[in-house]
Amino acid sequence: QSVLTQPPSVSAAPGQRVAISCTGSSSNIGAGYDVQWYQQLPGTAPKLLIYDNTNRPSGVPDRFSGSKSGTSASLAITGLQAEDEADYYCQSYDSRLTGYVFGTGTRVTVL
Amino acid sequence: QVQLQESGPRLVKPSETLSLTCTVSGYSISSGYYWGWIRQSPGKGLEWIGSIHYSGSTYFNPSLKSRLTISVDTSKNQFSLKLNSMTAADAAVYSCARGRWLQYFDHWGQGTLVTVSS
Repeated sequence: QSVLTQPPSVSAAPGQRVAISCTGSSSNIGAGYDVQWYQQLPGTAPKLLIYDNTNRPSGVPDRFSGSKSGTSASLAITGLQAEDEADYYCQSYDSRLTGYVFGTGTRVTVL
Repeated sequence: QVQLQESGPRLVKPSETLSLTCTVSGYSISSGYYWGWIRQSPGKGLEWIGSIHYSGSTYFNPSLKSRLTISVDTSKNQFSLKLNSMTAADAAVYSCARGRWLQYFDHWGQGTLVTVSS
């Protein structure tokens, strides 16, 4: 089972802003391990969207931004577009489980 | 351009062993990074299975460790997974990925759907 908790779904109209939370604990995010975010379009492999809490790989629009505080992290999408409809997962490392851990996933719907 | 491609049987009988291989192109496994396996059960989230360094060092999800073998063949630029004693609970899309230890996975294979059935 996932040790990082995300809301099951968020939705907003085109052009609006959404934020997805990722809540962890003192053995993962709270321990200082970096948080990554992945976008998974239907039927495709996850794509790295944000790494090391706030960094975007080349080619990722600056509409996507990440932040981290304490035992939680957040992904924000501004200027929401229809193509942003996807599942989003956070990921970190957990020292108690000694391995990578993923979030429960959030479905973003563009109304 | 780094590309990863999974290969192997897509149907496994209960109690038997799943064997998958990931072939990497556009990057030499021996140049660095950690090479991992991740699975996603239908309608569920992502689960890290394990990772290997080109040196052969392996890191496993504790919940799968007793059934898992991951190996690397640098001459073929491939790494492989073997998961024994398969059950219906192991049915999932299995993906290979390139990663930085304690950090991110930046390149993923397309994934292969594995069914467990007699």
